[in-house]
Amino acid sequence: GEDVEQSLFLSVREGDSSVINCTYTDSSSTYLYWYKQEPGAGLQLLTYIFSNMDMKQDQRLTVLLNKKDKHLSLRIADTQTGDSAIYFCAEGDYTGRRALTFGSGTRLQVQP
Amino acid sequence: DAGVIQSPRHEVTEMGQEVTLRCKPISGHDYLFWYRQTMMRGLELLIYFNNNVPIDDSGMPEDRFSAKMPNASFSTLKIQPSEPRDSAVYFCASSPAPGMISETQYFGPGTRLLVL
Repeated sequence: GEDVEQSLFLSVREGDSSVINCTYTDSSSTYLYWYKQEPGAGLQLLTYIFSNMDMKQDQRLTVLLNKKDKHLSLRIADTQTGDSAIYFCAEGDYTGRRALTFGSGTRLQVQP
Repeated sequence: DAGVIQSPRHEVTEMGQEVTLRCKPISGHDYLFWYRQTMMRGLELLIYFNNNVPIDDSGMPEDRFSAKMPNASFSTLKIQPSEPRDSAVYFCASSPAPGMISETQYFGPGTRLLVL
């Protein structure tokens, strides 16, 4: 079955870059997503990438996809305290015949 | 649109009681998902519906859990009887339709359940 794995915790200093990593197993994955969950809230879509892309940049966010290694990363430039949250990686296939598979989430802590 | 609406936001109950969680998806969305989030197990998909029909309920933990979607704008997740290990945050999410980037799921704020 599909599996998505992430490290549990990352701590960085304000102003530094954060890199959150994710690996997935399903080679039919077409859409790969990053969601953010702030304390006491639901998950919100941050950004996404199609599997035919290597990189996507959106302001301070850069998503890198290594399809051969099934590795996805999210880089946050100039990390701010407001970026402290749990970040979930998720993947889905183009057929839409199954729900998204979410990773366990990486808790990002930004030290002032 | 108000987004996905869940009620109640917080629920405290005693072991053995029935608990009903409610969800109103975004209007026009064909898919509705119920998730459970705990520290130990992370985010787990319990069940999802397409056009009010349950598609995959393999994540429902046991017979004490049941979910219904009587119409396109309302779904319930019921736990009867509830147990302390059911304590978690329960999320509802909806998405328009698969096969497009709109497969993105929109999450509600969650219901925080505590079973004493």
